[in-house]
Amino acid sequence: DAKTTQPNSMESNEEEPVHLPCNHSTISGTDYIHWYRQLPSQGPEYVIHGLTSNVNNRMASLAIAEDRKSSTLILHRATLRDAAVYYCILRASNSGYALNFGKGTSLLVTP
Amino acid sequence: DTGVSQDPRHKITKRGQNVTFRCDPISEHNRLYWYRQTLGQGPEFLTYFQNEAQLEKSRLLSDRFSAERPKGSFSTLEIQRTEQGDSAMYLCASSLALGSYNEQFFGPGTRLTVL
Repeated sequence: DAKTTQPNSMESNEEEPVHLPCNHSTISGTDYIHWYRQLPSQGPEYVIHGLTSNVNNRMASLAIAEDRKSSTLILHRATLRDAAVYYCILRASNSGYALNFGKGTSLLVTP
Repeated sequence: DTGVSQDPRHKITKRGQNVTFRCDPISEHNRLYWYRQTLGQGPEFLTYFQNEAQLEKSRLLSDRFSAERPKGSFSTLEIQRTEQGDSAMYLCASSLALGSYNEQFFGPGTRLTVL
């Protein structure tokens, strides 16, 4: 499976936008880019996913580089409830639909 | 609450004992997954089912680990002869196979402590 690289931690002020980067230089043409997050003491939850085009949903936006070797999860207005570990995951088409989590980025949101 | 429940939420056992965890997925979901998460790490995939068929089990950690989903609904994960290294959070997730993508919904996990 192709690997992802994320910063260990990031900090943001409440109500400001947050840009969480992910590098995936060995991504293959059929790998989807997924983002999940894990709030303290909870299981992970789906945030967003995409293949080539930028994606928006009610939680976040996903910006995918033209060469697909990197992507950025954008939280438009961080709240204290967004403090979590954010995982960038590539899912290969033949992976059996397993999600291969790395260590993720721990996001701290300060008032 | 995602609709995926796990029981028990916490389990303390002594080394060498067997433990069994239960997962109840969202009722219409046909796929069910088990993951293990140790402190400071992301979840690690163990196995998954589509209906009652276990389609991937090569990543179960050892032959002490086994999982079942006998009627395609709830699932159990058993660990025999537990070791201290088995202490971790065990997470269950479910999804509905639909097209090329299936969002996984995770339960709250079962935290296992092996003394």
